[in-house]
Amino acid sequence: DAGVTQSPTHLIKTRGQQVTLRCSPKSGHDTVSWYQQALGQGPQFIFQYYEEEERQRGNFPDRFSGHQFPNYSSELNVNALLLGDSALYLCASSWGQGAMNTEAFFGQGTRLTVV
Amino acid sequence: AQSVTQPDIHITVSEGASLELRCNYSYGATPYLFWYVQSPGQGLQLLLKYFSGDTLVQGIKGFEAEFKRSQSSFNLRKPSVHWSDAAEYFCAVGDLYNFNKFYFGSGTKLNVKP
Repeated sequence: DAGVTQSPTHLIKTRGQQVTLRCSPKSGHDTVSWYQQALGQGPQFIFQYYEEEERQRGNFPDRFSGHQFPNYSSELNVNALLLGDSALYLCASSWGQGAMNTEAFFGQGTRLTVV
Repeated sequence: AQSVTQPDIHITVSEGASLELRCNYSYGATPYLFWYVQSPGQGLQLLLKYFSGDTLVQGIKGFEAEFKRSQSSFNLRKPSVHWSDAAEYFCAVGDLYNFNKFYFGSGTKLNVKP
């Protein structure tokens, strides 16, 4: 079992560009959550996908959007990149949209640098 | 709203010494509490969790944590630290209605002196 895999591992983009990050959940998991971890901060919840729909959203602008595919993998898209979007983006997978007693597994993250 | 405070940004301990990392939470109901560890270049790994029952929780790698409702705390402890424990530690509260939606603290970076 490969666990949660994210790609790419590192990315450099220019302000104003758009970026797509990808996440494959752990085998057997159907729920994917995305977090942003700025330097020196704890991860902040962006949104969660379950059954191919965005189920919950944190306090992030509409520039942040996502998608979940039938195989449960997910993408995070960020439009009109700002310098402040530079961060480690973490994907977490779990089962049953956060059902009781389930455990979330995190990927290694994608380090996005906006210049 | 849920929030988590980790008062110590950096902690340095000697190898073999005991460790306590502090965590305070703000939450209106019985919280779901977690400790995660993040090594450089790695994702988050769950050390332990609490959602009910015994207030002293045992985790992996010899870690334990104690839930104290009266102090709104969930401090992480280890009796004897190993050099491989050097990492960043995050305390988190789980959402009441979504067990795997977390509110994280800002983390405590642990350095271990030889």
